[in-house]
Amino acid sequence: DARVTQTPRHKVTEMGQEVTMRCQPILGHNTVFWYRQTMMQGLELLAYFRNRAPLDDSGMPKDRFSAEMPDATLATLKIQPSEPRDSAVYFCASGKRTSHGYTFGSGTRLTVV
Amino acid sequence: GENVEQHPSTLSVQEGDSAVIKCTYSDSASNYFPWYKQELGKRPQLIIDIRSNVGEKKDQRIAVTLNKTAKHFSLHITETQPEDSAVYFCAASDGGSTLGRLYFGRGTQLTVWP
Repeated sequence: DARVTQTPRHKVTEMGQEVTMRCQPILGHNTVFWYRQTMMQGLELLAYFRNRAPLDDSGMPKDRFSAEMPDATLATLKIQPSEPRDSAVYFCASGKRTSHGYTFGSGTRLTVV
Repeated sequence: GENVEQHPSTLSVQEGDSAVIKCTYSDSASNYFPWYKQELGKRPQLIIDIRSNVGEKKDQRIAVTLNKTAKHFSLHITETQPEDSAVYFCAASDGGSTLGRLYFGRGTQLTVWP
């Protein structure tokens, strides 16, 4: 089965540090999403891209979060500076225009202490 | 934007019984409704989806129904098994073949007791 690959799987960092999460979408998928999952808020959309162009990043705190797709095989989500409230699981998902649904990656569990 | 409500938040059933999870949506433009299953510590996985030109879809023990007029859709699991225990999320999207963003419900924790 084709997979969405996310790295790292786990990250523990101190408040104020920069965190970068990476995602390799399934080859040929042109739509990439970043979701954040917490117990309190559920699955929140942070940003998404189609053909590498950002379509919606309204769910992202702009002062500290940034999302990019430097090429079709890599999406990044960066937090600088990180805060304890950023602790969550961050999922990347990818899809294709004519396919059914999205495929989620295994997530990055971020803990900011 | 779209608002998806999901009920119940928790559901416990005996093995072999049926389980039903219901969702409502607000945007009549939504036309794609997937369901995801998330086991503890794992990623959400698509289990079934339905498009607005179809009223019902089945895949073995799971089925989804859609009522566009009432703006609600439901997941039905028959002959439940302990391995069905997980959190189930419904979602709605208005992207059609373009695959727009997904709006998720808050999830239902399903527990199947042996």
